[in-house]
Amino acid sequence: GIQVEQSPPDLILQEGANSTLRCNFSDSVNNLQWFHQNPWGQLINLFYIPSGTKQNGRLSATTVATERYSLLYISSSQTTDSGVYFCAVELQTGANNLFFGTGTRLTVIP
Amino acid sequence: DTGVSQNPRHKITKRGQNVTFRCDPISEHNRLYWYRQTLGQGPEFLTYFQNEAQLEKSRLLSDRFSAERPKGSFSTLEIQRTEQGDSAMYLCASSPVRVPTLYEQYFGPGTRLTVT
Repeated sequence: GIQVEQSPPDLILQEGANSTLRCNFSDSVNNLQWFHQNPWGQLINLFYIPSGTKQNGRLSATTVATERYSLLYISSSQTTDSGVYFCAVELQTGANNLFFGTGTRLTVIP
Repeated sequence: DTGVSQNPRHKITKRGQNVTFRCDPISEHNRLYWYRQTLGQGPEFLTYFQNEAQLEKSRLLSDRFSAERPKGSFSTLEIQRTEQGDSAMYLCASSPVRVPTLYEQYFGPGTRLTVT
């Protein structure tokens, strides 16, 4: 089956610092989404980004589908950015469900 | 749009009991998905519906699990004869079918099940 690997698994940042989270996937995909899971378990949509680059405030994401990776950039981190970040992919073949990576746990300290 | 809603938010049950969860998708989203998430892991796909038709089921969905979406709106997930290994967060998601955000999925808050 498809492998979705995220790195780093854990990240601790000082408030105001920048970070890059990476997602590697092993098969061709139709769809890639980035989520932030808050401490209450809610998955919040960050980006729908099967290819290209998007920006939303302090966050931006880039997916290079031909090389099978995606990057999530967080600039000027805030304590509210803490939580687990997941990337999830939908295969080009098969059902339209998402396969999730194991996540990056981000802790932003004041 | 109101978001995806799930009820109950928490459920504690004794082993062997049956439980049922409900998911109300975002209105006009015709795809509805169920996922399960255990501690420290990413969500894993269970099943999905397009309108009222159940189109795919994961091997994780044992015969003790059944899901329905009778009128193509809300969905229920029932677990019969619960086991301690069923303890997890059960997540529901819905997606529209429209370009350009084809199949972008939006998640509900989840139902956390604890089997004692």
